[in-house]
Amino acid sequence: GDSVTQMEGPVTLSEEAFLTINCTYTATGYPSLFWYVQYPGEGLQLLLKATKADDKGSNKGFEATYRKETTSFHLEKGSVQVSDSAVYFCALRAGGTSYGKLTFGQGTILTVHP
Amino acid sequence: EADIYQTPRYLVIGTGKKITLECSQTMGHDKMYWYQQDPGMELHLIHYSYGVNSTEKGDLSSESTVSRIRTEHFPLTLESARPSHTSQYLCASSGNKGAGVYEQYFGPGTRLTVT
Repeated sequence: GDSVTQMEGPVTLSEEAFLTINCTYTATGYPSLFWYVQYPGEGLQLLLKATKADDKGSNKGFEATYRKETTSFHLEKGSVQVSDSAVYFCALRAGGTSYGKLTFGQGTILTVHP
Repeated sequence: EADIYQTPRYLVIGTGKKITLECSQTMGHDKMYWYQQDPGMELHLIHYSYGVNSTEKGDLSSESTVSRIRTEHFPLTLESARPSHTSQYLCASSGNKGAGVYEQYFGPGTRLTVT
């Protein structure tokens, strides 16, 4: 079945450091890929998405590129801020009839210190 | 901005009580979902619906039940709450958009504690 694997956390960085959160997936066909962010006490928000190979999703300084050859969708940000502290989830939506269901990774907790 | 609402946000209740967690969306989405989020943050799909009068079990077995009588409303019910039901419950919805990419929009969650 479909699966998503994220790098284990938690990740702790100083402000303005470079961020990478690794995400790899297993899926049949051509899935769409997403990064969601969850701030403390809130639900998940869509951060960025990519629908086909070599697509780059970007939002709020975050980027991720859909790499079909390595089945990866790593999240990057050049300079993190304290306000980026949150839990980050990688997810995929398989093609075909899946009723829009998403498969999520286990989440990575990011803490950014001043 | 997504318009999906959950009530209550926090609930503390005794063992054996019946509870209903409310979820409503105003986006006209046909698909709705319930997730259970454990303390380790992992999300587990427990129920979903692809339209009115349709409900399906998710990937994680749950003692809860759901109903979908109206497009906008997808309540989750526990007939007899137990401490093992203590968790965060997240509701989400999605609809056809663009080239068939079904983005899910999430509510703020209900944090349930059963004593």
